[in-house]
Amino acid sequence: GAGVSQTPSNKVTEKGKYVELRCDPISGHTALYWYRQSLGQGPEFLIYFQGTGAADDSGLPNDRFFAVRPEGSVSTLKIQRTERGDSAVYLCASSLRRRGQGGSGELFFGEGSRLTVL
Amino acid sequence: QQPVQSPQAVILREGEDAVINCSSSKALYSVHWYRQKHGEAPVFLMILLKGGEQKGHEKISASFNEKKQQSSLYLTASQLSYSGTYFCGTEIQGAQKLVFGQGTRLTINP
Repeated sequence: GAGVSQTPSNKVTEKGKYVELRCDPISGHTALYWYRQSLGQGPEFLIYFQGTGAADDSGLPNDRFFAVRPEGSVSTLKIQRTERGDSAVYLCASSLRRRGQGGSGELFFGEGSRLTVL
Repeated sequence: QQPVQSPQAVILREGEDAVINCSSSKALYSVHWYRQKHGEAPVFLMILLKGGEQKGHEKISASFNEKKQQSSLYLTASQLSYSGTYFCGTEIQGAQKLVFGQGTRLTINP
């Protein structure tokens, strides 16, 4: 079946612009995660959705970052007033994790969206 | 809260063994291991739950010492395809998120 799909694969924008990154998880996966990965670093947790709600958004760096998942499937990560420090690969992952389940289970990652802020 | 991995990088010849370590300062519920090749998405290898279990996947296995909050990934008789960056991810009991270490870059030479 289809894996996790992320669009765009590459995005170049200017400082101060608004950006949206989209994630389409594996069908039936209720849990969805956003991570940010800089060169040579491990994935940095941003936010975790269980269904439509954000179960943990403690990793969002500031109020310029916002994510939604209105129908419990596709998610959009929104970045306002982009800064050069936002440049990174933004990874989305999904899992079969159920509400109340103790752990995340296997995460299936997308190929990522590479964001470059000039 | 980020787990610490060691070593940061390993260079081996094909057929040699490697051990990658992951440690946390927090009481852990689970440890995950993923491998990422350059320019690709991380790929799941295995999960270990608290209880000190050891798991294996062909020539790749791992252990989890719950008392020490440490996990080790063992790669035996390494193959060229094992090259990549290995990440451990840790979950704390009751927490919602999987936190990854900085990674260990493994290079296998012929």
